[in-house]
Amino acid sequence: SQQGEEDPQALSIQEGENATMNCSYKTSINNLQWYRQNSGRGLVHLILIRSNEREKHSGRLRVTLDTSKKSSSLLITASRAADTASYFCATHQWNNNDMRFGAGTRLTVKP
Amino acid sequence: DAGVTQSPTHLIKTRGQQVTLRCSPKSGHDTVSWYQQALGQGPQFIFQYYEEEERQRGNFPDRFSGHQFPNYSSELNVNALLLGDSALYLCASSKDRDQPQHFGDGTRLSIL
Repeated sequence: SQQGEEDPQALSIQEGENATMNCSYKTSINNLQWYRQNSGRGLVHLILIRSNEREKHSGRLRVTLDTSKKSSSLLITASRAADTASYFCATHQWNNNDMRFGAGTRLTVKP
Repeated sequence: DAGVTQSPTHLIKTRGQQVTLRCSPKSGHDTVSWYQQALGQGPQFIFQYYEEEERQRGNFPDRFSGHQFPNYSSELNVNALLLGDSALYLCASSKDRDQPQHFGDGTRLSIL
């Protein structure tokens, strides 16, 4: 069953703008991960944030985690046309081996 | 350094047939997970293999089975195929169960 719920389902912005995607989940987690998927391809890992962390950065990516609200956000700054893809959050629970993905946010960055 | 490789890339089968999908993990990875991704949806966990054993299974029927070999490569077998089995099947490998996963580009399975 799916754990994460991404919001919005689709997002369209202009190149250079920032894109923010949100993820909510239901049960306590060990870590939360964000992945990107270009059409018809495999998923690419972007960033992992552990339950005891509140914020992580990687290049133009910024991820926050609020365990009290069971939510996370992914911010992509200064977006580029190449950022056009689907973005998924995935949660890993304690004492569990599977990762549960949401349905994703479809991001379109217009040149 | 080769990443995760999957074969075949595309496959067309008819209802009731059986299929085997193959996956070679990234070098140095010993854990392999399989996912089913329907069009427009997120990946759904099928099962995970570690040390040649199924370590955990998602909510999939027994028609879905797998295997991991001593070289860590893995197979996914699906019997008695249904139309609803049409999807992209993704293999992912990692060094441990809660580490970032590296995905292959998947096998697109179409059931007619």
